[in-house]
Amino acid sequence: DAKTTQPPSMDCAEGRAANLPCNHSTISGNEYVYWYRQIHSQGPQYIIHGLKNNETNEMASLIITEDRKSSTLILPHATLRDTAVYYCIVREGAGGTSYGKLTFGQGTILTVHP
Amino acid sequence: GAGVSQSPSNKVTEKGKDVELRCDPISGHTALYWYRQSLGQGLEFLIYFQGNSAPDKSGLPSDRFSAERTGGSVSTLTIQRTQQEDSAVYLCASSLRGTHEQYFGPGTRLTVT
Repeated sequence: DAKTTQPPSMDCAEGRAANLPCNHSTISGNEYVYWYRQIHSQGPQYIIHGLKNNETNEMASLIITEDRKSSTLILPHATLRDTAVYYCIVREGAGGTSYGKLTFGQGTILTVHP
Repeated sequence: GAGVSQSPSNKVTEKGKDVELRCDPISGHTALYWYRQSLGQGLEFLIYFQGNSAPDKSGLPSDRFSAERTGGSVSTLTIQRTQQEDSAVYLCASSLRGTHEQYFGPGTRLTVT
């Protein structure tokens, strides 16, 4: 799986947008970008994924650059409950040899403050 | 609906003893995964079951670790002759075949004294 690089920590004011960057310059054509988060003392939670196009769901938006070498997770209106470690992961889709397991890096600790 | 459940939530054991950790996946999920998270470390993949296929055991750290999945549902992770470095939170996840999301349980915190 491609290696990802994320800033170790970020701060965000409550009610503002949180923009979390991720670099994945060695991503291959059949690898998806996934975002998970882990709130303290809980298991990770799936947020969103994408291949080429930008994606949006009820939790967040995912912006993937045209060359697919980087992406940004956007939490449009951050709340205190969004304080967590955010993981950016790249992984092959179904049929790929590495499909299945997720390889987590160190992630970004996002702190949302009042 | 019910999510992934794991038991026990906490386990304290003495070095050298065997332990069994249980995972109940979401009903109907064909894929099941085990991960562990040591203090100050990231999440580390251990093993992956998909339907009736042979499991991907590539993440198991030693032959003291094993896992089985009975009837395509419940899974048990067994650690034999536990060592202090086995202390960690063991997380289980499940997913539907062909889907992207993995749903994680709350984990079992294992402490080896």
